[in-house]
Amino acid sequence: SQKIEQNSEALNIQEGKTATLTCNYTNYSPAYLQWYRQDPGRGPVFLLLIRENEKEKRKERLKVTFDTTLKQSLFHITASQPADSATYLCALAPDVGGFKTIFGAGTRLFVKA
Amino acid sequence: DTEVTQTPKHLVMGMTNKKSLKCEQHMGHRAMYWYKQKAKKPPELMFVYSYEKLSINESVPSRFSPECPNSSLLNLHLHALQPEDSALYLCASSQPGRSLANTGELFFGEGSRLTVL
Repeated sequence: SQKIEQNSEALNIQEGKTATLTCNYTNYSPAYLQWYRQDPGRGPVFLLLIRENEKEKRKERLKVTFDTTLKQSLFHITASQPADSATYLCALAPDVGGFKTIFGAGTRLFVKA
Repeated sequence: DTEVTQTPKHLVMGMTNKKSLKCEQHMGHRAMYWYKQKAKKPPELMFVYSYEKLSINESVPSRFSPECPNSSLLNLHLHALQPEDSALYLCASSQPGRSLANTGELFFGEGSRLTVL
């Protein structure tokens, strides 16, 4: 069955450092991969999308890489801030405009001042 | 602030009650979703409406009944729920279409926290 794995252990880093989160998937050939941020008790908020034919995408302090051979995506937050503390969810979709987006359980990030 | 509004934010109901969760969006999106999320688990897709028609039902028990009265509204009717149905219910919307400009971004509401006693 399709499976998305994100590190279930929380990631603790110091302010100003780069946070790197990992998303691995199996039994799936997604057309694109998304990253969302979720704060406790709130709905996820879209951050970035990367398509299967793209290797890297950047947006401000965020960078996402996508390796379809390794079936892995890395999500980087540079110059991290305490306000970046949240759970980050990886999501895969079979095709653009399709509806069956599936989510990983997320990795909790804590950024200490 | 999210552009998808869900009500109520919190709901406590008994197993014999009938209640409804409501969702509204005014972004002109023509796809609307219900997801269920338990603590420390990923959101799980329940239903998808596309152009006001039920497009996907992920084998959800019939005690959950979705309804899409128009392109802006989505309801989830609840009846004879079980305690294990307690969860955060998330509504989302997106713009369907296969153009390269479509990011496939899901816009989520803040969720309705449901507790079944």
